[in-house]
Amino acid sequence: TQLLEQSPQFLSIQEGENLTVYCNSSSVFSSLQWYRQEPGEGPVLLVTVVTGGEVKKLKRLTFQFGDARKDSSLHITAAQPGDTGLYLCAGGNRDDKIIFGKGTRLHILP
Amino acid sequence: GAVVSQHPSWVICKSGTSVKIECRSLDFQATTMFWYRQFPKQSLMLMATSNEGSKATYEQGVEKDKFLINHASLTLSTLTVTSAHPEDSSFYICSARALAALISYEQYFGPGTRLTVT
Repeated sequence: TQLLEQSPQFLSIQEGENLTVYCNSSSVFSSLQWYRQEPGEGPVLLVTVVTGGEVKKLKRLTFQFGDARKDSSLHITAAQPGDTGLYLCAGGNRDDKIIFGKGTRLHILP
Repeated sequence: GAVVSQHPSWVICKSGTSVKIECRSLDFQATTMFWYRQFPKQSLMLMATSNEGSKATYEQGVEKDKFLINHASLTLSTLTVTSAHPEDSSFYICSARALAALISYEQYFGPGTRLTVT
């Protein structure tokens, strides 16, 4: 059974600080996605990474896929209150269901 | 592009009644749609995978007679919660995978449906 472990589960930091969220597995995935979910809404896709070692940037967010395609990280620079939310990583293999991590609940204090 | 809608966005029903939730892909055709359930402060739990024109595949522990899934077209899947009970109260989210997606494992999520059974 493929599992994705996210850490930390909860993170509360001050505005302006940097943070990193990790997503780890013992399994290899064809792709890994990061989603952000607001309360009462569906997850919104932030990024998909498919190549081992790939790095993608989305404004202040940097996503990295591990060389072995078993892990990923999300780094946020100069966090802002608008970054508050639930961040979910999800691993998938072509034409198959995706597996979600348990999520990291991020709270940025103004 | 890649917009998925759900209807209704929230519903309250009495115990014992049935509730139907619709999931539509608005600007693309979806070969496969997925239904998830999310309890407060938890991640998404996959309930079933729905392929157009065929029977849904249910995850272990999900009662197929209680959660009826119909995927009649490439843009519509429905989930019917039959004989709902208070423990069925949850946030139900669907997602859709595009027929002609460049990255076939990307899914686009609907906004969710909040079901409360009294």
